[in-house]
Amino acid sequence: SQKIEQNSEALNIQEGKTATLTCNYTNYSPAYLQWYRQDPGRGPVFLLLIRENEKEKRKERLKVTFDTTLKQSLFHITASQPADSATYLCALPRGYSTLTFGKGTMLLVSP
Amino acid sequence: NAGVTQTPKFRVLKTGQSMTLLCAQDMNHEYMYWYRQDPGMGLRLIHYSVGEGTTAKGEVPDGYNVSRLKKQNFLLGLESAAPSQTSVYFCASSYGPSARGYNEQFFGPGTRLTVL
Repeated sequence: SQKIEQNSEALNIQEGKTATLTCNYTNYSPAYLQWYRQDPGRGPVFLLLIRENEKEKRKERLKVTFDTTLKQSLFHITASQPADSATYLCALPRGYSTLTFGKGTMLLVSP
Repeated sequence: NAGVTQTPKFRVLKTGQSMTLLCAQDMNHEYMYWYRQDPGMGLRLIHYSVGEGTTAKGEVPDGYNVSRLKKQNFLLGLESAAPSQTSVYFCASSYGPSARGYNEQFFGPGTRLTVL
């Protein structure tokens, strides 16, 4: 069956460092992958989409890579700030109409 | 634009009671979704709709019913609530289907439901 794996342990880093979060998947051949941010008590918010033919995508301090051979996406936040502390979810298409979400990784950026 | 709104924000039910959660979106999106989010389980799709008058089952549909009588509204019903339905419920909407690639989902603020 299709599986999405994100590190369940929280990632603790210091302000200014680069945070790298991982999303691994099995039994999938997704045409794209999405990343969302979720703050406590709020709904997820879309951040970035990367297609299978794109190796890398950037948006301000965010960078996403997509390696279809390794079946992995890496999500980087450069020059991290305490305001970046949140849970980050990856999502892949499921069938024609829906998405399947990973369980998310919590990022904690300390000053 | 309000985006996606959900009512109520909080609710406590007793086992066996029924209730309806309302989701509304003002973005003219065709697709709407209901998820539940539980600790350690992530977001799981309950039901979804690809347009007015249509609904389909997701990953965990048992114990829930839905209706999409108007394009902008998607209702989630619990006919006989059980403690296992204690969760945070999120509604989302998107312009198009996931296969088309551009369908980012817009989420509501969530409803925290406790069933005693």
